[in-house]
Amino acid sequence: QQQVKQSPQSLIVQKGGISIINCAYENTAFDYFPWYQQFPGKGPALLIAIRPDVSEKKEGRFTISFNKSAKQFSLHIRDSQPGDSATYFCAASTGSNYKLTFGKGTLLTVNP
Amino acid sequence: DVKVTQSSRYLVKRTGEKVFLECVQDMDHENMFWYRQDPGLGLRLIYFSYDVKMKEKGDIPEGYSVSREKKERFSLILESASTNQTSMYLCASSSWGTGDYGYTFGSGTRLTVV
Repeated sequence: QQQVKQSPQSLIVQKGGISIINCAYENTAFDYFPWYQQFPGKGPALLIAIRPDVSEKKEGRFTISFNKSAKQFSLHIRDSQPGDSATYFCAASTGSNYKLTFGKGTLLTVNP
Repeated sequence: DVKVTQSSRYLVKRTGEKVFLECVQDMDHENMFWYRQDPGLGLRLIYFSYDVKMKEKGDIPEGYSVSREKKERFSLILESASTNQTSMYLCASSSWGTGDYGYTFGSGTRLTVV
């Protein structure tokens, strides 16, 4: 049973465009939803995270939108840059440092 | 910065060998995790530990065991390596009560079993 479903599997965006990655979850006990960014040859690194008491969180060009009733959350990257090219993982857990369940990842390519 | 160090970047082992993957973190984190990463499957949790000498199974523990004798070190053991255990293995650590800092991952060990 896949508890966190992520789409699309891959995404190509032009420089300056908006990248949108979506995730849906099944377990209503989840209360922490982070996004991780992974560059080739590196481990994933925490990018931004949200809790279900807010519907949106922004950090620079990165925004998480959260829809509790639909059990969905998404990552928006505004003004996408070639340096944003990486694999992005959504995840969910009960508590910020409890075990994370990850989506399958999205390979983002931003063309110059 | 928290640093999570995995002892090997690349390993090649033979089928049936006992394999040890080592992970060390330097920030006194209570929690440590082992994931494997495969294309199209994302990150899947193998084992995790919340304290010294304790361990809990993740989603795919079959064929693996772990050891945590010291707080900073968490070892993943493949009792008898098989080709389907060829993968990227990622270690991570975290601490209770540090807000949204979440996990810190190591750079991974790419294991090939031949």
